[in-house]
Amino acid sequence: QSALTQPRSVSGSPGQSVTISCTGTSSDVGGYNYVSWYQQHPGKAPKLMIYDVSKRPSGVPDRFSGSKSGNTASLTISGLQAEDETDYYCCSYAGSYTYVFGTGTKVTVL
Amino acid sequence: EVQLLESGGGLVQPGGSLRLSCAASGFTFSSYAMNWVRQAPGKGLEWVSGISGSVSGISVSDTSTYYADSVKGRFTISRDNSKNMLYLQMNSLRAEDTALYYCAKGQWLGHWFDPWGQGTQVTVSS
Repeated sequence: QSALTQPRSVSGSPGQSVTISCTGTSSDVGGYNYVSWYQQHPGKAPKLMIYDVSKRPSGVPDRFSGSKSGNTASLTISGLQAEDETDYYCCSYAGSYTYVFGTGTKVTVL
Repeated sequence: EVQLLESGGGLVQPGGSLRLSCAASGFTFSSYAMNWVRQAPGKGLEWVSGISGSVSGISVSDTSTYYADSVKGRFTISRDNSKNMLYLQMNSLRAEDTALYYCAKGQWLGHWFDPWGQGTQVTVSS
């Protein structure tokens, strides 16, 4: 149950796109289409942004999108806005009803 | 509106025990898997434990429990569907168990967490 690998930080200017990668193994990310992404503002609970690799819950802006290729999942934020500046975590189902989270990525809006 | 409210956190000595509770409302609690996820100070999220929903309704006899390797044998997750409550009994606590513990609603046929409670702080220190 090793944590999924995410870049420590990514940055972009308002209106630009940024992509956060989430690398696991064939036992988690690569083995299931059950990757989810969470946004966490300081001092707040995590909020679901993407589930099942690329599905967006109601209320989440369509600027947020998810994808997966092999053992790596990605979250893309298009049209970056100031309020997107915070921490993001990926999570993958790892079999036998266990889960593994990513190391977390800080998004900075320049 | 779905609401999750954790309680029971506090300061405990290494080797001690603590029981966390999560009061759920706004959904058919018995039908859904529930989970505990923790976050150490300044660190990332770590899934701790999960419990399946009950096919038979209020009874929990048909539920299954799951644990991260880091807590297996020390922590016990349980639920009381008659009270809409989730619990985490934590024994043999270690300094590395210090974290904010979140209760998070699972899915009937899915693998994501939504929503989350606000968390309850557990500090293990002498």
